[in-house]
Amino acid sequence: AQSVTQPDIHITVSEGASLELRCNYSYGATPYLFWYVQSPGQGLQLLLKYFSGDTLVQGIKGFEAEFKRSQSSFNLRKPSVHWSDAAEYFCAVGGGGADGLTFGKGTHLIIQP
Amino acid sequence: SAVISQKPSRDICQRGTSLTIQCQVDSQVTMMFWYRQQPGQSLTLIATANQGSEATYESGFVIDKFPISRPNLTFSTLTVSNMSPEDSSIYLCSVEVSVGEQYFGPGTRLTVT
Repeated sequence: AQSVTQPDIHITVSEGASLELRCNYSYGATPYLFWYVQSPGQGLQLLLKYFSGDTLVQGIKGFEAEFKRSQSSFNLRKPSVHWSDAAEYFCAVGGGGADGLTFGKGTHLIIQP
Repeated sequence: SAVISQKPSRDICQRGTSLTIQCQVDSQVTMMFWYRQQPGQSLTLIATANQGSEATYESGFVIDKFPISRPNLTFSTLTVSNMSPEDSSIYLCSVEVSVGEQYFGPGTRLTVT
C-alpha cells in the first residue's frame, strides 16, 4: 500500500530564512509526487510535481523539490521565506489515471517576523 | 490547469438528513475524484468517478453512504447520506488535468449538528 510521511507537524522559520520540508513516500512503482499548499480558508494549490526526468523540479512561488529515489524522499525547499508562505503544506503520491492521491498528514509552517 | 467550482461552499445540516455537493469544471475531464478532509486532518480519497461507469470507492467508504453521480465530462455530485456529526468535514472534488496531475476545487465545508 502506498503511504506518505511528513515527519514535521509544525515548523517555525524566520522571515528571510531558508526552508526545507521533509517528505518520505512508499509506493510500489514509479511514483508521481506532488506538493500542495493550503492557506487558511483556501483550497489546495499545486506547488510542483515530479513525474520523471530531472530530479530537481521547480515550482511556483520560488519553491523547488528534489526527488531522491534511494531515500524515497521528495523534500520541498525555498531559499528565503516570506510571511505569506505561512500555510499548511501537503506532500502527495499517486500513480495517475484512476489512481487517486495519497496525502501526508501535512506540515504547518509558521513564519516569525 | 482547470477552473473548478463547488456548491454549496458551506452548509450546516441536521443529523439524519442528506446533502448533495456539486462539482463543476470548465473543461472536459475523464477522471474526477472526491476527497474528505476532517477537521485538522489531511485529505482522504473517498472515490474515483469516471464518466460512464460506476464510481470506485476506497476502503472505508460505501456507495450507500456516499452515492456519486457523473453524468457528463464536466460535472459530478457527491451525496452525504444519513449524516451524523462525524461527517462534519470539508469535502473536495478534484480533476485530473494531465496524467497524475490533479487540481482541486475550493471545497464544501459541512457541519452536522
